[in-house]
Amino acid sequence: NAGVTQTPKFQVLKTGQSMTLQCAQDMNHEYMSWYRQDPGMGLRLIHYSVGAGITDQGEVPNGYNVSRSTTEDFPLRLLSAAPSQTSVYFCASRFRDLNTEAFFGQGTRLTVV
Amino acid sequence: GQNIDQPTEMTATEGAIVQINCTYQTSGFNGLFWYQQHAGEAPTFLSYNVLDGLEEKGRFSSFLSRSKGYSYLLLKELQMKDSASYLCAVINNAGNMLTFGGGTRLMVKP
Repeated sequence: NAGVTQTPKFQVLKTGQSMTLQCAQDMNHEYMSWYRQDPGMGLRLIHYSVGAGITDQGEVPNGYNVSRSTTEDFPLRLLSAAPSQTSVYFCASRFRDLNTEAFFGQGTRLTVV
Repeated sequence: GQNIDQPTEMTATEGAIVQINCTYQTSGFNGLFWYQQHAGEAPTFLSYNVLDGLEEKGRFSSFLSRSKGYSYLLLKELQMKDSASYLCAVINNAGNMLTFGGGTRLMVKP
């Protein structure tokens, strides 16, 4: 049972570089989300998607792009990495029903130098 | 928008009971979740409340008062492995956004 799979687990980028964080789920969940977690800040929503072809912005979308071409995949792109984007990134997915819990990937620890 | 508050840190003794509070002020509300997160790991689901009252699941219980914008997570018979962060999260009316509080780091001491 794979659940939600994120790659890579760790990444170091130089300022200005771009990269894509991968997220895939095999549970046929409609909803997928990306969060970042910084010390003392909890999880903050970056972007989310309610289905293939549909994405929307969360609380902190600047500097990030997403797309949802399939139900399974929801990649997060950093366009031009900045030190402020150093964080732990979590992808989550859930069914559309209101009372269903979100399942999280194991996280990507990103450092921008 | 959503504003969700939790204490930053709590300490309790093994075998004791601890209550972690969460207050929220939101523009839309359709339920409240509690998650547990051990250091360096992903959050995992603990409980969900949508109606007022207490939901019990073994050693863990969660309470909700919608009129007061208040929830708590009650952990009984604390064990060392309960040392973790506990995250309160609110789902909006449309059900498409889950917003988290800052989390409460619980340390259980022998």
